Amino acid sequence: DAGVIQSPRHEVTEMGQEVTLRCKPISGHDYLFWYRQTMMRGLELLIYFNNNVPIDDSGMPEDRFSAKMPNASFSTLKIQPSEPRDSAVYFCASSLAGVNQPQHFGDGTRLSIL
Amino acid sequence: AQSVTQLDSHVSVSEGTPVLLRCNYSSSYSPSLFWYVQHPNKGLQLLLKYTSAATLVKGINGFEAEFKKSETSFHLTKPSAHMSDAAEYFCVVSAPTGANNLFFGTGTRLTVIP
Repeated sequence: DAGVIQSPRHEVTEMGQEVTLRCKPISGHDYLFWYRQTMMRGLELLIYFNNNVPIDDSGMPEDRFSAKMPNASFSTLKIQPSEPRDSAVYFCASSLAGVNQPQHFGDGTRLSIL
Repeated sequence: AQSVTQLDSHVSVSEGTPVLLRCNYSSSYSPSLFWYVQHPNKGLQLLLKYTSAATLVKGINGFEAEFKKSETSFHLTKPSAHMSDAAEYFCVVSAPTGANNLFFGTGTRLTVIP
């Protein structure tokens, strides 16, 4: 079991640049979640997908953020343009059968916007 | 409406002594309740889950939690702390269906003193 795989593990970029975070969920999992974790706000659910379809994106902070899931084994979270306040650790998680089922988390992408 | 409160932001225990991490929840439904652990630079890992079966739930690494409906609590315990238990712990509540039905506590940092 390879687990949820996120890339890159670390990203440092300048304000205004486009940032793309990637996630490969566990094979067979129908749900995929994107989270953001900061000291100030804790863990926030940004968006989640069921069978590649976005179900709830109410946690996406603003239009600069977008997420896609083109197939069952790949998802991206994009920030364009990036701002320093976007600096955080971004986690991807997947689960078998719903929001109220256990989730398996990746190790996160630590994003720093200068 | 659902919510979850972790009563302590930081708990310190000596190695070999019991651990108690407190969690209170509010839910309009019969909730699912989870405890996750996060080690430094890692994603969250499921410790245990309650879903209306036995009220005492046993998890990994010797942890357990008791669901007490009358007290709306789901406290996490372990008889004897190990150094490797030092981490951040999150209590999570979710409702059976619907969007925006997953709520994370703010976390409790457990320090284990040798």
